[in-house]
Amino acid sequence: DTEVTQTPKHLVMGMTNKKSLKCEQHMGHRAMYWYKQKAKKPPELMFVYSYEKLSINESVPSRFSPECPNSSLLNLHLHALQPEDSALYLCASSPSPGSYNSPLHFGNGTRLTVT
Amino acid sequence: DQQVKQNSPSLSVQEGRISILNCDYTNSMFDYFLWYKKYPAEGPTFLISISSIKDKNEDGRFTVFLNKSAKHLSLHIVPSQPGDSAVYFCAAKENNNNDMRFGAGTRLTVKP
Repeated sequence: DTEVTQTPKHLVMGMTNKKSLKCEQHMGHRAMYWYKQKAKKPPELMFVYSYEKLSINESVPSRFSPECPNSSLLNLHLHALQPEDSALYLCASSPSPGSYNSPLHFGNGTRLTVT
Repeated sequence: DQQVKQNSPSLSVQEGRISILNCDYTNSMFDYFLWYKKYPAEGPTFLISISSIKDKNEDGRFTVFLNKSAKHLSLHIVPSQPGDSAVYFCAAKENNNNDMRFGAGTRLTVKP
């Protein structure tokens, strides 16, 4: 069982829809991450939150809007997506920002399909 | 700009034999290296790591070797088991930096 929980597991949305992906961890970690992974490609970093503040935005289009309401929760709000945004979206956490010699803990991901 | 590369998309080995997965990196500032295992419909699970001050780290059947001069690391699994069949990702980061970079993965199949 993963200690990072992502919902929903699958999401199909149209290009005009607004939806949100949710991520939760209760390990007391203070850094949370969104990664995007397309088939046969490595996970690519999208956003990093450190102590509930956005610290890294890897030039992600504004149709993706992250939110960190508290230290345990991370959301990714989606609006006006394109079919090429279809991918596996992975949430991860680590004990603290830039954690020394500490791995990321991943959730099981949300498989997003944009039609 | 792929800073972490896994050049073998797949590897097949017989149960009981050694599996060797390879990874190369280009960024000399990386000082922490990890291997993750991923089963279908699950997220990547941390397997083993090594810091740049070491050249070997062992955990049970899994050993990671780091060659800093060659910017190369490898994961050895001995003996390989059918349950090891998964996609293995190599990852690297600079410590005190949140940006972890991943390779494209190697699909390992261990045949009974």
